[in-house]
Amino acid sequence: DQQVKQNSPSLSVQEGRISILNCDYTNSMFDYFLWYKKYPAEGPTFLISISSIKDKNEDGRFTVFLNKSAKHLSLHIVPSQPGDSAVYFCAARENTNAGKSTFGDGTTLTVKP
Amino acid sequence: GEEVAQTPKHLVRGEGQKAKLYCAPIKGHSYVFWYQQVLKNEFKFLISFQNENVFDETGMPKERFSAKCLPNSPCSLEIQATKLEDSAVYFCASSQSRRGGRNQPQHFGDGTRLSIL
Repeated sequence: DQQVKQNSPSLSVQEGRISILNCDYTNSMFDYFLWYKKYPAEGPTFLISISSIKDKNEDGRFTVFLNKSAKHLSLHIVPSQPGDSAVYFCAARENTNAGKSTFGDGTTLTVKP
Repeated sequence: GEEVAQTPKHLVRGEGQKAKLYCAPIKGHSYVFWYQQVLKNEFKFLISFQNENVFDETGMPKERFSAKCLPNSPCSLEIQATKLEDSAVYFCASSQSRRGGRNQPQHFGDGTRLSIL
């Protein structure tokens, strides 16, 4: 049973527009959520995170929104740039800093010039 | 160092041979994690350490897989008697202790691609 799901395997957007990547989870014990970006042949790079006590966290062009009641989070990238083209992973953790992350299957974002 | 360093980048072994992978966490990070990526995008948690102590090994296969994090040495993941199904990219990640009550993200290395022939 997959506890973190990214239902869109791919997303294509035009440069300058907004990219919205979605993630759903089922485990109500998750209370810390992260987004990672991954290029081929490299490890995931941490982008942004959000604690369950918040519903929004913003860092530059990246904003993560959390809807606890719907068990849904999303990553907004605005404006999108061609360099943002990568695989984006949503991850979730239970309330322990030493806890393992449970990952979604990723969404491949392509930003067209 | 400032990055998680994994060696080697690529390891090729014949079925039945031993494979050993290494990970140097970011200096000052107390936690180390190993993940296995078999299919293109699926990350499977294997094991985590708090300093040199095993914290969570619920993802480790019962046989053939072992891991260590010894003081003043890179952490290691060892697979005895490798099988074709062990072919995967193995990622190591490290994280700091919680600061000011705030969770800290895991930072990943670039992985070791293990190919079993």
